[in-house]
Amino acid sequence: QQQVKQSPQSLIVQKGGISIINCAYENTAFDYFPWYQQFPGKGPALLIAIRPDVSEKKEGRFTISFNKSAKQFSLHIMDSQPGDSATYFCAATAAGGTSYGKLTFGQGTILTVHP
Amino acid sequence: DGGITQSPKYLFRKEGQNVTLSCEQNLNHDAMYWYRQDPGQGLRLIYYSQIVNDFQKGDIAEGYSVSREKKESFPLTVTSAQKNPTAFYLCASSISNMNTEAFFGQGTRLTVV
Repeated sequence: QQQVKQSPQSLIVQKGGISIINCAYENTAFDYFPWYQQFPGKGPALLIAIRPDVSEKKEGRFTISFNKSAKQFSLHIMDSQPGDSATYFCAATAAGGTSYGKLTFGQGTILTVHP
Repeated sequence: DGGITQSPKYLFRKEGQNVTLSCEQNLNHDAMYWYRQDPGQGLRLIYYSQIVNDFQKGDIAEGYSVSREKKESFPLTVTSAQKNPTAFYLCASSISNMNTEAFFGQGTRLTVV
């Protein structure tokens, strides 16, 4: 019940295209859903995050869509650029209870944006 | 500059030896975490600590040990009991249980030969 399932494992898009990564979760106690971006040999960095009281959050070219009833959320990268090529992780956690800020991560998506 | 410092960046050890990975933060965060990253498996939680002198096992704690004697420091020891220790290890911290944004270090790549 703690799992977060992420798809696809890898994604190739052309420059200027839209990249879409999907995640699904089971634990209804999750109330914080961040996306992390990781470049090779580096630690992940927070990209954007959402809480379940909103269905969408946009920051620049990055948008999270959240569907509470389906227990799914997705990351959309508009006008994808070669510099966006990285591994993306979705994650989830609950502020209280046994989850206490512990992030449960998806398996990761390797995004390659061709120029 | 505030942040999380992991050292060393690369570490090579012989099979059967214990090895300790360092993690220091100057963000004044209460909570600290250790994750292990393997290709295609995302990040898996090894241990976490909410306050000084307290820590809890994560999902894959077997073969690892930690200590939290100071707020700034959360070292991880990979013991000889860990069957597959070669991996990329990431340390993270967050302010408290009311703020779940986590900040990560740059990682330590451990190779056991």
